[in-house]
Amino acid sequence: DQQVKQNSPSLSVQEGRISILNCDYTNSMFDYFLWYKKYPAEGPTFLISISSIKDKNEDGRFTVFLNKSAKHLSLHIVPSQPGDSAVYFCAASVQGGGSNYKLTFGKGTLLTVNP
Amino acid sequence: DAGVTQSPTHLIKTRGQHVTLRCSPISGHKSVSWYQQVLGQGPQFIFQYYEKEERGRGNFPDRFSARQFPNYSSELNVNALLLGDSALYLCASSFWGEKLFFGSGTQLSVL
Repeated sequence: DQQVKQNSPSLSVQEGRISILNCDYTNSMFDYFLWYKKYPAEGPTFLISISSIKDKNEDGRFTVFLNKSAKHLSLHIVPSQPGDSAVYFCAASVQGGGSNYKLTFGKGTLLTVNP
Repeated sequence: DAGVTQSPTHLIKTRGQHVTLRCSPISGHKSVSWYQQVLGQGPQFIFQYYEKEERGRGNFPDRFSARQFPNYSSELNVNALLLGDSALYLCASSFWGEKLFFGSGTQLSVL
């Protein structure tokens, strides 16, 4: 059973436009959510996170929105740049304290930003 | 500052063999986690260690084991390799909480 779902395997956008990546989760115990991006031959890199007590978190061009009732979160990238082309993973955790954690990842969405 | 380093970067083994993967965390990070990423899937949690104690274990068979050393480096061991163990094995370290810093991984191929 896949507890974190990224239903779009790929997304293609034009440079300068908005990229919206979506993620759904089924486990209502999840209360901390993260986005990672991954370039080929590299490990995932932390991008942005959000706690379930918030519905929005912003960091520069990146904004994550959380809709707890729908068990849905999205990552907005504005404006999109060619360097943003990568695989984006949504991840979730039951925040059990700072020294105990386990991330559950989605399958990822390949974002391609065209010049 | 050095990031998370993993060795080896690539490895080819045959079924039934044993493999040891190594990971050095970022200096000052006391927590190390291991994840398996099969092609086309997201990383899947295997183990988490903090201060040399196992803090979490994913849904993997007992053929998988790990340990963390006093210098906080870690090893992942897999016995009796199966074809299905072929994957990218990712190590991640953290100072505190879920903001993980990943290494580039070890690509394991089992023939």
